[in-house]
Amino acid sequence: DIEMTQSPLSLPVTPGEPASLSCRSSQSLLNRNGNNNLDWYVQRPGQSPQLLIYLASNRASGVPDRFSGTGSGTDFTLKISRVEAEDVGVYYCMHTRHTPFAFGPGTKVDIK
Amino acid sequence: QVQLQESGPGLVTPSQTLSLTCTVSGGSVSGGRCFWHWIRQPAGKRLEWIGRAYTGGTIEYNPSLKSRVAISVDTSKNQFSLILSSVTAADTAMYYCASVCGEMSYVAAFDVWGHGTMVTVSS
Repeated sequence: DIEMTQSPLSLPVTPGEPASLSCRSSQSLLNRNGNNNLDWYVQRPGQSPQLLIYLASNRASGVPDRFSGTGSGTDFTLKISRVEAEDVGVYYCMHTRHTPFAFGPGTKVDIK
Repeated sequence: QVQLQESGPGLVTPSQTLSLTCTVSGGSVSGGRCFWHWIRQPAGKRLEWIGRAYTGGTIEYNPSLKSRVAISVDTSKNQFSLILSSVTAADTAMYYCASVCGEMSYVAAFDVWGHGTMVTVSS
């Protein structure tokens, strides 16, 4: 099975400043179509998770363009260009390369 | 827009069987290319993918739970269900149903989530 790790586990941020979250997989997530099977989700306090990014770099419908995903193979990054107060929550990466799908432990983003 | 709502008992006795249902609205559980998932989250821990059912009939499970879990689809009620047998305290968690349909089903695992239902295993 593919295992997912994330760092940091906690990230205090200042509104208006950028933030960078890292995700790593134990095996390559690059598929034969040249895409990486990696999703990012955010779970805001008291809410269900919400899809942010799919295939490593594609924003889901309605996601602000301050969110961007990069990376390939086993190393991935979620960047928030300018953090807003509403961005607090836990950010999870998840591989969809094959079943069983697996989530990382999450990065908790909060405001300094 | 598909919406999902979980339902089931909030408290289950150890060694008994947990049964949860996810009711689908705004779409058909048997229509198009859709995947219907169950995910759980123990308090303070990471999300765990339990399994999924495909509208074409295929069902896949997480091997960590495979001997105890079953997912089924009821087209007459527009629902899909989770059964987890021989539960222990380790199965205490928030349980979510989730789905993805259409073009998004080729590129993402799920883009619609239910609100979740808390299940506690205790005597």
